[in-house]
Amino acid sequence: EVQLVESGGDIVQPGGSLRLSCAASGFTFSNYWIHWVRQAPGKGLVWVSRIDNDGSVTFYADSVKGRFTMSRDNGKNTLYLQMNSLRVEDTAVYYCARGDSEAYDIWGPGAMVTVSS
Amino acid sequence: QSALTQPPSASGSPGQSVAISCTGTSSDVGAYNYVSWYQQHPGKAPKLIIYKVNQRPSGVPDRFSGSKSGNTASLTVSGLQAEDEADYYCCSYAGSANNYVFGTGTKVTVL
Repeated sequence: EVQLVESGGDIVQPGGSLRLSCAASGFTFSNYWIHWVRQAPGKGLVWVSRIDNDGSVTFYADSVKGRFTMSRDNGKNTLYLQMNSLRVEDTAVYYCARGDSEAYDIWGPGAMVTVSS
Repeated sequence: QSALTQPPSASGSPGQSVAISCTGTSSDVGAYNYVSWYQQHPGKAPKLIIYKVNQRPSGVPDRFSGSKSGNTASLTVSGLQAEDEADYYCCSYAGSANNYVFGTGTKVTVL
């Protein structure tokens, strides 16, 4: 079965750090771009970041640029999102999603990140 | 990058049709034929239902259709069914600088 599964969600204080993981299975992970998309409670979807097939190119939304770092280990079929200097407004469900410029065709179930004192 | 504009809500009776608009700019929706639509039920991950403006992934019923004119894309759900009650989001590629932008979301209610 083709799937993505996020892990690492937690409650963290403002200014803290957290690393999310996204494990892929059922497809050739190294052939695909992967994205992070987040959804604050009761709000809409927001694109966060993207990494290309081999991890050499990354892009970030302005709201997380300089604080979040996306990386991947194709040998382990795993994607990572290192989140530093977390803010209350980063509170959201974080989804990893497989996709290119056309669309996101596979989504994980999501990981909840809560930033609160 | 501002979110694409969708109506907050739409509704219809079973068997009827509902159309949802998605308005962007000449830098996103108007610039690329890379508009996609996602269905999201409460507490669940989004599901792709339309890609490249009007293409349906395998397994998506042909009751779902997409179109685009200028800076506005549209999703039409025909023959509404109870299971179509969900939130719907559009998304557009916005170029290598801005990457991707989602719509504000529309809650569809089946009366």
